[in-house]
Amino acid sequence: AQKVTQAQTEISVVEKEDVTLDCVYETRDTTYYLFWYKQPPSGELVFLIRRNSFDEQNEISGRYSWNFQKSTSSFNFTITASQVVDSAVYFCALSEALGSASTASKLTFGTGTRLQVTL
Amino acid sequence: DAGVTQSPTHLIKTRGQQVTLRCSPKSGHDTVSWYQQALGQGPQFIFQYYEEEERQRGNFPDRFSGHQFPNYSSELNVNALLLGDSALYLCASSPGTSGTHSYEQYFGPGTRLTVT
Repeated sequence: AQKVTQAQTEISVVEKEDVTLDCVYETRDTTYYLFWYKQPPSGELVFLIRRNSFDEQNEISGRYSWNFQKSTSSFNFTITASQVVDSAVYFCALSEALGSASTASKLTFGTGTRLQVTL
Repeated sequence: DAGVTQSPTHLIKTRGQQVTLRCSPKSGHDTVSWYQQALGQGPQFIFQYYEEEERQRGNFPDRFSGHQFPNYSSELNVNALLLGDSALYLCASSPGTSGTHSYEQYFGPGTRLTVT
């Protein structure tokens, strides 16, 4: 069975601080996919990144960076120089390969981390 | 390029009633998934439709059913509504079996259902 744990329920930082959101996952599959989504107060989930289990290269996109470590089953997300617009709930999610089909399988989400960035 | 759209935005129903929620996928996407998100929780997978058939299902009772149309749009039906069905219902679409983005799901704004 798949499981995603986001131990940090809520984080508050002051603008321009760096912040790291933790994500730990469990799966028995050797091929799987990890995701981060942002959910602002409007409610729509915004896709941020997908990482394949066979690609442990870390990624940076502007102020966002992701650290994937299979050895510790973690996929952490860092926001550098946070801004008020980063305030949202962030979800980590996991999906397993759907048989031989190269297509999206069900997402298993963590409980989310609420990030509050203040001036 | 329109994203995933859902209707209605909000809905209030009475216990025992039935409800139908609608979703139009992003252009070029042929797979639709439905999720239920209770307040303060992460989304929970209900089911996924591909080629007009249910391909995967989560741990939801048979009161939850769905349909996918030839144009890839989808409906979620919930019968005999319970107070516990109050939640945000999210639809996600994905681009099927081709391309490097086929594993990614893109979400709509959701339908907030309140059962009284």
